[in-house]
Amino acid sequence: GDSVTQMEGPVTLSEEAFLTINCTYTATGYPSLFWYVQYPGEGLQLLLKATKADDKGSNKGFEATYRKETTSFHLEKGSVQVSDSAVYFCAHGGSSNTGKLIFGQGTTLQVKP
Amino acid sequence: DTAVSQTPKYLVTQMGNDKSIKCEQNLGHDTMYWYKQDSKKFLKIMFSYNNKELIINETVPNRFSPKSPDKAHLNLHINSLELGDSAVYFCASSQVSGGIGDTQYFGPGTRLTVL
Repeated sequence: GDSVTQMEGPVTLSEEAFLTINCTYTATGYPSLFWYVQYPGEGLQLLLKATKADDKGSNKGFEATYRKETTSFHLEKGSVQVSDSAVYFCAHGGSSNTGKLIFGQGTTLQVKP
Repeated sequence: DTAVSQTPKYLVTQMGNDKSIKCEQNLGHDTMYWYKQDSKKFLKIMFSYNNKELIINETVPNRFSPKSPDKAHLNLHINSLELGDSAVYFCASSQVSGGIGDTQYFGPGTRLTVL
């Protein structure tokens, strides 16, 4: 069935370090892929997305590339800031085009000054 | 100017009570959703409505009843609350249902605590 698996957190980095959060998915077909971010005490916000194979989504210095061969959508950022501390969720749009999002378990990122 | 709003933000109640959470979106979207986030932050869809019509009902106990009076509102009523219902409930909306790459916009969440 449909699922998303993310690397377990928490991930603790120093400011300006390189970030990678791994995400793999299972689905029938090629669903749209998303990264959402949840800052403390807030709802989720879309960070970036990709709708087809080899698409790269990018926003605020974050990037992720839709890899059909490895069914992956890893999130990267070259230099993290303290303000990037949040929970990051990988998700896909499901195999049935009903609009429901299938979420990974979330990865908590803590960036220290 | 909140795009998706929920009330209340916090809800503390006793087991067995009935409670409602309200959601409104001012984005002109056709589709609205309820998600449940458990204590480990895992998010799972509960319901979705497209233009007041139920589209998704994900094996949620029938103590949970969504109601959509119009396409801008989707309320969640919960009967006979149980300890396991304690969670954060998020409302979301999107332009269409199932559109490729369609972005969902989330509300701030309602933290429900059942004692």
